[in-house]
Amino acid sequence: EVQLVESGGGLVQPGGSLRLSCAASGFTVSSNYMSWVRQAPGKGLEWVSVIYSGGSTYYADSVKGRFTISRDNSKNTLYLQMNSLRAEDTAVYYCAYSSGWYPGCFDYWGQGTLVTVSS
Amino acid sequence: DIQMTQSPSSLSASVGDRVTITCRASQGISNSLAWYQQKPGKAPKLLLYAASRLESGVPSRFSGSGSGTDYTLTISSLQPEDFATYYCQQYYSTPLCFGQGTKLEIK
Repeated sequence: EVQLVESGGGLVQPGGSLRLSCAASGFTVSSNYMSWVRQAPGKGLEWVSVIYSGGSTYYADSVKGRFTISRDNSKNTLYLQMNSLRAEDTAVYYCAYSSGWYPGCFDYWGQGTLVTVSS
Repeated sequence: DIQMTQSPSSLSASVGDRVTITCRASQGISNSLAWYQQKPGKAPKLLLYAASRLESGVPSRFSGSGSGTDYTLTISSLQPEDFATYYCQQYYSTPLCFGQGTKLEIK
């Protein structure tokens, strides 16, 4: 059974850093297309970043240069390193996985982890 | 970058009604479109992919259609559990993009 469990969220001051984790089970993170998607309070879904099976990474313009997506194959875990955090980064962060033939179409999601950027 | 415009932003309907939500892409996306349902405090749930293919376990009252830049999600007969927020998403190219969402409320 596929499971995604995020952790690492919390309260951080503007300019601070945080690392989110997404522990996966039931499939191999390194062999698949994995993304982070966020949702600000009361707002819609916003795609943040992707890592392809081959290791290529892409970012939304809003986080480029500040966030880094990575994975640890030995732990089967996806990460999002978030630096220079801003108030507008406050959101629930979901990791998402495309298991089928359509990369970028997410059939599995974690439960989300809340990041609050505030002084 | 491809932008997705979803309408309406909110919709009031009754149990048993047929409802349609539309999504327009700023350029052609070759049916690389997904629809999600999200309930408060929960992660999104995939309903349809490739514009019209029903995800396993999703009731057949949900259907999708469209091509090129214009796509629709139809719920043929609303059930109480269908009141939620719906999002379209293009996965034709990076950056991926979601529509703004449609909040479906009980009339």
